[in-house]
Amino acid sequence: AQSVTQPDIHITVSEGASLELRCNYSYGATPYLFWYVQSPGQGLQLLLKYFSGDTLVQGIKGFEAEFKRSQSSFNLRKPSVHWSDAAEYFCAVGASTNAGKSTFGDGTTLTVKP
Amino acid sequence: DAGVTQSPTHLIKTRGQQVTLRCSPKSGHDTVSWYQQALGQGPQFIFQYYEEEERQRGNFPDRFSGHQFPNYSSELNVNALLLGDSALYLCASSLVLGASYEQYFGPGTRLTVT
Repeated sequence: AQSVTQPDIHITVSEGASLELRCNYSYGATPYLFWYVQSPGQGLQLLLKYFSGDTLVQGIKGFEAEFKRSQSSFNLRKPSVHWSDAAEYFCAVGASTNAGKSTFGDGTTLTVKP
Repeated sequence: DAGVTQSPTHLIKTRGQQVTLRCSPKSGHDTVSWYQQALGQGPQFIFQYYEEEERQRGNFPDRFSGHQFPNYSSELNVNALLLGDSALYLCASSLVLGASYEQYFGPGTRLTVT
């Protein structure tokens, strides 16, 4: 069975500081990995995805993530956080054979201090 | 191009009642997935519809059922509502393009069961 663990429930960073959100997954085959962002009361917006190839992927809003197969991790990073980045972030793993069925972690809430 | 749309936005029901939620996929998408997101948790996969049939199902009871129409729009029905069914219900549409895919999420329907 596939699963996703986001070890940090809540992270607080100062505006302008760097950010890393952790994600560990369990999956029996080659995973398709995603990071989504959710603002309060809203749906999910895709930040970036990894299917294959270069293990460092770039996404929208200045985010990037690195796939490390040996550590079963797909951590999200941003060099300089903006106040508007405050939101909840979800990591998800999906099957290559099924577009649309994904398993999500429980999310990390990001607070940005001025 | 309209993205994924869902209706209604909010809904309040009483225990034991039945509810129907609606979703229109992003233009050109043929697959619709439904997720339940309880407060403080990540989305959980309910089921997926493709070519008007349920293709995959998560760990949800038969009280949860769905339908997909020829225009790819979809409905989620929940019978005999329980307090625990209170959640944000997200619809996502997707399309397989070669070796990759993306899911696009709607804003969700907030269901409150009293």
